[in-house]
Amino acid sequence: EAGVAQSPRYKIIEKRQSVAFWCNPISGHATLYWYQQILGQGPKLLIQFQNNGVVDDSQLPKDRFSAERLKGVDSTLKIQPAKLEDSAVYLCASSLNLGGQGSTEAFFGQGTRLTVV
Amino acid sequence: KQEVTQIPAALSVPEGENLVLNCSFTDSAIYNLQWFRQDPGKGLTSLLLIQSSQREQTSGRLNASLDKSSGRSTLYIAASQPGDSATYLCAVCGANNLFFGTGTRLTVIP
Repeated sequence: EAGVAQSPRYKIIEKRQSVAFWCNPISGHATLYWYQQILGQGPKLLIQFQNNGVVDDSQLPKDRFSAERLKGVDSTLKIQPAKLEDSAVYLCASSLNLGGQGSTEAFFGQGTRLTVV
Repeated sequence: KQEVTQIPAALSVPEGENLVLNCSFTDSAIYNLQWFRQDPGKGLTSLLLIQSSQREQTSGRLNASLDKSSGRSTLYIAASQPGDSATYLCAVCGANNLFFGTGTRLTVIP
């Protein structure tokens, strides 16, 4: 079974530039998550999709971050314009179904390491 | 709001030793708890998933326990090996989110 695919693996940009990350979840997984992991910290949820609908985006800095999941499969996360504090690893994860009773295991991609200079 | 704490933040042990990593959470209304391993520069690898109705799960040299009422989970690693060196993260699953701890960085010394 193929895992969660993310690209690119690494990205270096200057502040105020824009950047986009791509995620392809495991086939059949309805739930897709984007997490931000700053060095030395645990991952923090940015946005969660159930199929192509947003379940939770309460911690997404909407003035600069946006995400979409067209057709309920692949997803892109965009930052525009980037700030120095956005330097982090951006992790995509997927699971068969949503949190709650009967919630299933989450699988993570390799992540995209973003450096903003 | 759920808060997840992992103690210790870092741990070094000699090869062959058994060890325990701790995870505590403030809101016991969880549906499951998952332990992950993260190698430097890599994503998260799922190790064990414990449903809220379960007390423990085992996979090879790993055993995870869950005491939902006291808000605690432990990850027991038997006969540690240098290849076990990594950061171990626990995550609790609530209504629609995974809340992560900050992890324990484990170093197994040959």
